[in-house]
Amino acid sequence: EVQLVESGGGLVQPGGSLRVSCGASGLIFRKYWMSWVRQAPGKGLEWVANIDEEGSEKYYVDSVKGRFTISRDNAKNSLFLEMNNLTTEDTAVYFCASLFQYSSGWHPGRHFDYWGQGTPVTVSS
Amino acid sequence: DIQMTQSPSSLAASVGDSVTITCRASQSVSTYLHWYQQKPGKAPTVLIYGASYLQTGVPSRFSGSGSGTDFTLTISSLQPEDFATYFCQQSSGSQWTFGQGTKVELK
Repeated sequence: EVQLVESGGGLVQPGGSLRVSCGASGLIFRKYWMSWVRQAPGKGLEWVANIDEEGSEKYYVDSVKGRFTISRDNAKNSLFLEMNNLTTEDTAVYFCASLFQYSSGWHPGRHFDYWGQGTPVTVSS
Repeated sequence: DIQMTQSPSSLAASVGDSVTITCRASQSVSTYLHWYQQKPGKAPTVLIYGASYLQTGVPSRFSGSGSGTDFTLTISSLQPEDFATYFCQQSSGSQWTFGQGTKVELK
């Protein structure tokens, strides 16, 4: 059974930093692209970042570029999101998700497959 | 960035009804379009990927269609467990976006 378990969320002041983690089991972690997706209270889903299998390709939503860093440790089956210069707009539940790749058209398609339960991050003074 | 617009934002339906949700992209996403279901307090689950492919284990009453900029998710006979919020999401290019969601409620 695939399990993704996030940790590290909490309360942080505006301008502060936080690192959230995601531990994976039940899948060959090093073979999957991984993502972070967030959901503000009562709001919709927002994709935050993707990382390829080796950690060499990283993509971010514009609103977090330069402030957030996605990384991974394949030896420890772990995914991370380092968040700096946090604002109240970053308050959300942060989910990690594995990406399933399928053949399609010009380039492979990917969709969110397995998800963790989420870890809440609250930015408030 | 590609904007995804879902309609309606919410709808009320009865068990057994057929329900259709639409998703429009601000530019073509080919068929890199996926549909997710989310229940309160839970993570989303994928229903349809690649615009029309049914995820393994998802009931056949769910179907998806479309390509380019216009997509639909249809639930052919609504069941009690289908009352939830549904999101479309595009994965064309390196910047991914979700629609704002459609909440399906009991009439």
